[in-house]
Amino acid sequence: DSGVTQTPKHLITATGQRVTLRCSPRSGDLSVYWYQQSLDQGLQFLIQYYNGEERAKGNILERFSAQQFPDLHSELNLSSLELGDSALYFCASSVDVGEKLFFGSGTQLSVL
Amino acid sequence: GQQLNQSPQSMFIQEGEDVSMNCTSSSIFNTWLWYKQDPGEGPVLLIALYKAGELTSNGRLTAQFGITRKDSFLNISASIPSDVGIYFCAGQRYGGSQGNLIFGKGTKLSVKP
Repeated sequence: DSGVTQTPKHLITATGQRVTLRCSPRSGDLSVYWYQQSLDQGLQFLIQYYNGEERAKGNILERFSAQQFPDLHSELNLSSLELGDSALYFCASSVDVGEKLFFGSGTQLSVL
Repeated sequence: GQQLNQSPQSMFIQEGEDVSMNCTSSSIFNTWLWYKQDPGEGPVLLIALYKAGELTSNGRLTAQFGITRKDSFLNISASIPSDVGIYFCAGQRYGGSQGNLIFGKGTKLSVKP
């Protein structure tokens, strides 16, 4: 158990819908990262937050947004969902920027 | 964007054999990490390397940070069935505000008992 908690574990929804994925980092970790894993693209970095502030942005679509709350948990919002958004979404946390990342078990999103 | 070339893509080996996989990049990284992912789970950190030339072991696993800082390898000795999974290398380059990892596409390891 990495100490990073992600909910829900599975999510099935329809195209055009909006979903929210939730992540609680390890106790004491200030930095949260979101990754998307699909079969053909591997693990793709989406976005990073540090102590509530956006720190780095990767290949995140405009339809996607995230935030980190004062209690350090984070949410990834995916809207106007398309079939191609079906993937595993991982949250990871680290003590500080540049430190080792610890991953949650992921949310499997299926867009039908 | 930055790319990591990880090879081989997959390996089928007999239990007891040694395994070697590597990652190369056109960019320099400050940190190299190796992760293992089991089905339905998130990647789990195996080894972290912080200095060029560094050789680090974790049980039957040994990894090295290349001298040029553009490559790394992972060796698994005397493989066992529970070594099955996908192994990812990841490079981290920080400075400024960047702290994210760039992942290789993974090496899928199958071990035949």
